[in-house]
Amino acid sequence: GAGVSQSPRYKVAKRGQDVALRCDPISGHVSLFWYQQALGQGPEFLTYFQNEAQLDKSGLPSDRFFAERPEGSVSTLKIQRTQQEDSAVYLCASSLGTSGAQETQYFGPGTRLLVL
Amino acid sequence: AQKITQTQPGMFVQEKEAVTLDCTYDTSDQSYGLFWYKQPSSGEMIFLIYQGSYDEQNATEGRYSLNFQKARKSANLVISASQLGDSAMYFCAMRGWQAGTALIFGKGTTLSVSS
Repeated sequence: GAGVSQSPRYKVAKRGQDVALRCDPISGHVSLFWYQQALGQGPEFLTYFQNEAQLDKSGLPSDRFFAERPEGSVSTLKIQRTQQEDSAVYLCASSLGTSGAQETQYFGPGTRLLVL
Repeated sequence: AQKITQTQPGMFVQEKEAVTLDCTYDTSDQSYGLFWYKQPSSGEMIFLIYQGSYDEQNATEGRYSLNFQKARKSANLVISASQLGDSAMYFCAMRGWQAGTALIFGKGTTLSVSS
């Protein structure tokens, strides 16, 4: 079936604007993760959903960041009052959610956010 | 806390040669998983290979193999017969055994394959 999709692929925002980034996980995948990847760095964890429940949001950098997955499939990452330091690639990943460490996370193409 | 270290910012290899990308990790967990991902310039993270901490055999997937040395806490990726399309950023990552545990990534190694 289709892989993880994300939209938009690119987003330019003026400082102070709100943005919403969408993730469509692989159908049937219970687990969904958001990561932030700064230029030249590895991805860093933001938040994790199991179905519609947000079980871990310890990686969200500030209360300007908010994520939801209301029906347990599509997820939206919202950033309020964007700042220049929010410029990064935002990656979404999904996995089956039925097993442990061996479970592979499949990533979407990412949304490249540039805050001017 | 878990940590991944990739000490090679960039590696260069000629087509058809083999190359090893280094990865060391730090964890106090007894059970964990190790992963390698490829990220081409398009940005998508592509899963390559997985090694579980209790796996006795080194993982292999086509031209990719993982040289797992548990006592040394290393999980090096070996790419045999390099191809031009292998040019990309490569990330080593690990996660704990519990479902829902996030991946911890290293800083990555840029691999350049020349003809």
